[in-house]
Amino acid sequence: EVQLVESGGGLVQPGRSLRLSCAVSGFTFDDYAMHWVRQTPGKGLEWVSGISWNSDSIHYADSVKGRFTISRDNAKNSLYLQMNSLRPEDTALYYCAKAPEKYSGSPTRFDPWGQGTLVTVSS
Amino acid sequence: QSALTQPPSASGSPGQSVTISCTGTSSDVGGYNYVSWYQQHPGKAPKLMIYEVSQRPSGVPDRFSGSKSGNTASLTVSGLQAEDEADYYCSSYAGRNPYVFGTGTKVTVL
Repeated sequence: EVQLVESGGGLVQPGRSLRLSCAVSGFTFDDYAMHWVRQTPGKGLEWVSGISWNSDSIHYADSVKGRFTISRDNAKNSLYLQMNSLRPEDTALYYCAKAPEKYSGSPTRFDPWGQGTLVTVSS
Repeated sequence: QSALTQPPSASGSPGQSVTISCTGTSSDVGGYNYVSWYQQHPGKAPKLMIYEVSQRPSGVPDRFSGSKSGNTASLTVSGLQAEDEADYYCSSYAGRNPYVFGTGTKVTVL
């Protein structure tokens, strides 16, 4: 069974940092691109970042470019999102999701998704 | 990149059909045949229901179908069942800003 389990969310003050993790099982992790997608009550779903199977191709939404860094450790079957200079508008439920292709930035779909980890940015 | 536009709500009685629209631009929906639809029940993660405009993943009932005309994609749920009550989101490939989602539609089964 394919499983994606996010962790690392929490309450953080504006300007601080947080690192999210996504542990996967049930498929050959290093065969696929992976993505982070976030969801806020007010703005719905927003794609955040994607990374290719070998980390050579990485993409970010304009809203997080320069502040967030996506990475993966294929030996640990894990995906990460380092979030720096956090803002209140980054408050959201963060999902990791698998793509059926090797490369980020190409047409794709997100399937499956993890259950998400909640990030709250507030003073 | 602006979100794709969906109606906030849609409804139908059991057994009826409901169609949800997803309107974008020639830079996303209209420019690529890579529209996906996701179903989300309260407190649950989104689930892929349709990809590449009209393809159904294995396990998704054939009551769910997708189509596209110009800059507008549509999801139709035929033979509505109680378990179809959920939020539905479209998504499209958008080139340079690669992925954009819709605003979401709450489907109510009356």
